[in-house]
Amino acid sequence: QVQLQESGPGLVKPSETLSLTCTVSGGSISSYYWSWIRQPPGKGLEWIGYIYYSGSTNYNPSLKSRVTISVDTSKNQFSLKLSSVTAADTAVYYCARVDATMIVVGWGQGTLVTVSS
Amino acid sequence: DIQMTQSPSTLSASVGDRVTITCRASQSISSWLAWYQQKPGKAPKLLIYKASSLESGVPSRFSGSGSGTEFTLTISSLQPDDFATYYCQQYNSLWTFGQGTKVEIK
Repeated sequence: QVQLQESGPGLVKPSETLSLTCTVSGGSISSYYWSWIRQPPGKGLEWIGYIYYSGSTNYNPSLKSRVTISVDTSKNQFSLKLSSVTAADTAVYYCARVDATMIVVGWGQGTLVTVSS
Repeated sequence: DIQMTQSPSTLSASVGDRVTITCRASQSISSWLAWYQQKPGKAPKLLIYKASSLESGVPSRFSGSGSGTEFTLTISSLQPDDFATYYCQQYNSLWTFGQGTKVEIK
């Protein structure tokens, strides 16, 4: 059973860069796609982007200028960097596993990141 | 960009009711649509993929239909465990989620 666990700071200052890591256990990251999805408190889901294990990426056009997703196969991890954050970036951030048909088949538990000075 | 619009935003229903949620795409997405269920404080759970395929382990009271731009999620007989928020997601061109439909107790 593949499990995902997000980690990273729970508090980020405005204008700084949000950095999160997702550790994959119980299976190899060297298959299919891996994604980041977020959910502001009390609101809906927003797709951030996904990465193929080889490193190719696709991002949400509305966030593309600020987002970088990368993968480290040696550590079985993938990461999210979101630059120039504002309070609007406060959300629960989920990492997710995506199968070959581009369906989300597994989720991390989510981690709340608050943007505040 | 493809926009996804769900209706209604909130639905009040009773146990045993038949419930239908609609999701409309701003352009054709063929059958590349998924439905997720989310409960408070939890990650979403996949219910339906490719518009009408039931994910393994999901009760058969859940069903999906549609293609092109209009899709529906139906719960044939609402159970206490089904009170939750439901999201559609298109994966025809990048990804977009609908804004969600909260199913609450009437």
